[in-house]
Amino acid sequence: DAMVIQNPRYQVTQFGKPVTLSCSQTLNHNVMYWYQQKSSQAPKLLFHYYDKDFNNEADTPDNFQSRRPNTSFCFLDIRSPGLGDAAMYLCATSRDLADNQPQHFGDGTRLSIL
Amino acid sequence: GENVEQHPSTLSVQEGDSAVIKCTYSDSASNYFPWYKQELGKRPQLIIDIRSNVGEKKDQRIAVTLNKTAKHFSLHITETQPEDSAVYFCAAKYGNKLVFGAGTILRVKS
Repeated sequence: DAMVIQNPRYQVTQFGKPVTLSCSQTLNHNVMYWYQQKSSQAPKLLFHYYDKDFNNEADTPDNFQSRRPNTSFCFLDIRSPGLGDAAMYLCATSRDLADNQPQHFGDGTRLSIL
Repeated sequence: GENVEQHPSTLSVQEGDSAVIKCTYSDSASNYFPWYKQELGKRPQLIIDIRSNVGEKKDQRIAVTLNKTAKHFSLHITETQPEDSAVYFCAAKYGNKLVFGAGTILRVKS
């Protein structure tokens, strides 16, 4: 059974039209991450939540926001998607930050921009 | 800075041969090094990881070695099979985050 669930698997939006991607987890992990992965590249961390504490990467554009209303759910909001934001978006979780716990990934949402 | 270099970028081997992928990292404080396998259109899957207090770890056909002095670690796959074909990413823990290498496309020819 999937433990990190991302919906939808494929998302198409229009240039400039806000879009929200969702992630849920059944692992009760404290940390949830959002990564952007472009074709033939490594996953790139956008931000993470440790419990309710939000941590943004320095080079994440302001266009990207996140919400974590409870332990199980985390959302990625792209306020005004540009063509360069077309990518696979991966959610991951880990039990904790300090204990070097493995990160478990969801299947990702592939975002296309028209 | 936070940097993980991974080589080679592509690797073709004959079924049954061994495959080796190498990574170097820049921060001597890093102490956790996972390897992920990603098949086309699928999630990265953790296949093995190693912590800095050990030099080698093995799980069936997969092994990882770590040289902390030289700041490099390697993935070894023995008796490769066609289903091993995928992209492999190494990563190193910097502070609270994982930094990934650029990936290696492994093709196992039958």
